[in-house]
Amino acid sequence: NAGVMQNPRHLVRRRGQEARLRCSPMKGHSHVYWYRQLPEEGLKFMVYLQKENIIDESGMPKERFSAEFPKEGPSILRIQQVVRGDSAAYFCASSRSGANVLTFGAGSRLTVL
Amino acid sequence: TQLLEQSPQFLSIQEGENLTVYCNSSSVFSSLQWYRQEPGEGPVLLVTVVTGGEVKKLKRLTFQFGDARKDSSLHITAAQPGDTGLYLCAGPNSGAGSYQLTFGKGTKLSVIP
Repeated sequence: NAGVMQNPRHLVRRRGQEARLRCSPMKGHSHVYWYRQLPEEGLKFMVYLQKENIIDESGMPKERFSAEFPKEGPSILRIQQVVRGDSAAYFCASSRSGANVLTFGAGSRLTVL
Repeated sequence: TQLLEQSPQFLSIQEGENLTVYCNSSSVFSSLQWYRQEPGEGPVLLVTVVTGGEVKKLKRLTFQFGDARKDSSLHITAAQPGDTGLYLCAGPNSGAGSYQLTFGKGTKLSVIP
């Protein structure tokens, strides 16, 4: 039973480029969460999605960031026109219901040059 | 805003020693979770404590939830190199956004053989 799969594990982008991070939840999980971990900081909530719906995006910057979880395929976190401050580890987690039993993926580490 | 403060930030001990790390808040949490995160990986849930005063044991790890549900501790007996990692505590936000977890910044533990 595969866990939460994230790819790419590492991504390097130059300032101004776009970054796309993908997350496939655990089998049977329909709730997806994205968290960001900056160096020396705790994980910060970004967005909570269910299939085809954004439930809560209050933790996501209003500009340049977007997330989706389509009916088919993985959830995608998209960062447009990346800046150096976007360099971080982005973690996806999934759950069977909206309860707090989350399974985290291994993360995608974005480096912006 | 609910905050979780973890201490110490860093801890380096010899194999076989005992240690305790702390997670404190001025806010009441309905539950607290402890995770361990290894370098390059995502957080892995160790335990959830729910009831004030609750004590849970996981082999050499003992977790305690404060009576007032504002703090928690993790005690490791006879630490081993395999215990090395970042220990994070997290709690659900109160109210409608309870699916959001607030994380502490973590305690980075190094166990030296």
